[in-house]
Amino acid sequence: EGQLVQSGAEVKKPGESLKISCKGSGYSFATHWIGWVRQMPGKGLEWMAIIYPGDSDTRYSPSFQGQVTISADKSISTAYLQWRSLKASDTAMYYCARRVDGSGYSDLWGQGTMVTVSS
Amino acid sequence: DVQLTQSPSTLSAFVGDRVTITCRASQSVSSWLAWYQQKPGKAPNLLIYKASSLESGVPSRFSGSGSGTEFTLTISSLQPDDFATYYCHQYNTYPLTFGGGTKVEIK
Repeated sequence: EGQLVQSGAEVKKPGESLKISCKGSGYSFATHWIGWVRQMPGKGLEWMAIIYPGDSDTRYSPSFQGQVTISADKSISTAYLQWRSLKASDTAMYYCARRVDGSGYSDLWGQGTMVTVSS
Repeated sequence: DVQLTQSPSTLSAFVGDRVTITCRASQSVSSWLAWYQQKPGKAPNLLIYKASSLESGVPSRFSGSGSGTEFTLTISSLQPDDFATYYCHQYNTYPLTFGGGTKVEIK
């Protein structure tokens, strides 16, 4: 079945960098795409980007290209989402989600990581 | 990008009501559409994939239909546990996109 466990909540100041993680277990991490989804407070879901841990192939939404970087380390079954310089508008819940093999939808989600950016 | 427009944005209904949510795509996504349920403070939960396939473990009162640009999610008899926000999601084309959500409230 599998599980995705995300790193804990973060409180950062504008301009700071941040890397959050998503660790997979109970399935073949390297052979399933992992996507990232943003949910700003009180708002809907926004698809950000996706990575294939086996070869680190990535796809970004144009809305997030250049704003964040995704990566993965298949040796420790962990995917990452990082920012070089946070803005207050990055305050949101961030979810990782596993894409179903051979399809495009996600059947397994992490519990979410709340990122708060405030001076 | 494929824009997904859900209607209504909010829906008030009684327990036992039949509820239908619509999702319209700005271009054809074939049948590559999923529906998720999200409760406050929780991650989304997959209900339907490939427009009409029920995810394992999801109650049969949930059903999906449609193809191309128009899709519906139907709850045949609304239960107390169903009060939540529902999102459609297309996975036909990158970037993948979500609808704006439909909040189902108790009447």
